[in-house]
Amino acid sequence: EIVMTQSPATLSVSPGGRATLSCRASQSVGINLAWYQEKPGQAPRLLIFGASTRATGIPARFSGSGSGTEFTLSISSLQSEDFAVYSCQHYNAWPQTFGQGTKVEIK
Amino acid sequence: QVRLQQWGAGLLKPSETLSLTCAVYGVSFNGYYWSFIRQPPGKGLEWIGEINHTGNTNYNPSLKSRISMSVDTSKKQFSLRLSSVTAADTAVYYCAGSRMVVTAVRPNYIDRWGQGTLVTVSS
Repeated sequence: EIVMTQSPATLSVSPGGRATLSCRASQSVGINLAWYQEKPGQAPRLLIFGASTRATGIPARFSGSGSGTEFTLSISSLQSEDFAVYSCQHYNAWPQTFGQGTKVEIK
Repeated sequence: QVRLQQWGAGLLKPSETLSLTCAVYGVSFNGYYWSFIRQPPGKGLEWIGEINHTGNTNYNPSLKSRISMSVDTSKKQFSLRLSSVTAADTAVYYCAGSRMVVTAVRPNYIDRWGQGTLVTVSS
């Protein structure tokens, strides 16, 4: 099983600031990497697939990059609705696995 | 509008069997693999398994001995049974969907999610 490791566990950012989240895979997953946003009481929301392609309706302030084992999710100009937990997932092979999540909180 | 509606018992005793069903609305049932994914309190998401309209399944090896998934295409529903539950199975369980990859050589990202059901295992 491929282990996904996210860092940092918590990121404190001021509204309007920029957040950079990291996700590392224990072996190469190519670009078969997705990012999700999680909020309490809500279904997770797909943000990015294919490492860098924004899902339908996702604002341009969300961007993904990377390939192989190292991936980054960047959120520019953080809005109030962006403070949440972000999880990465590889889908390169079964079983697909998720990282533990990075909580983006208000500084 | 796409909607996944799930239901099942929310409180179980150790050794009982967890049973959840998910109904799919507003999207092609046949074009997806339908999954269950769980999230224990304070932990990350864990993929449990998936099934398509033909009944083909892929299961997480860590849970494979206790899982059974089934599908009812006439009702656009799919179900999960997880046997011999323990407190470690306490989690929010989500039903979810991912578009089938044409070549079927790998899974896919999850683009449809249900609202989740909290299942608690306690004596």
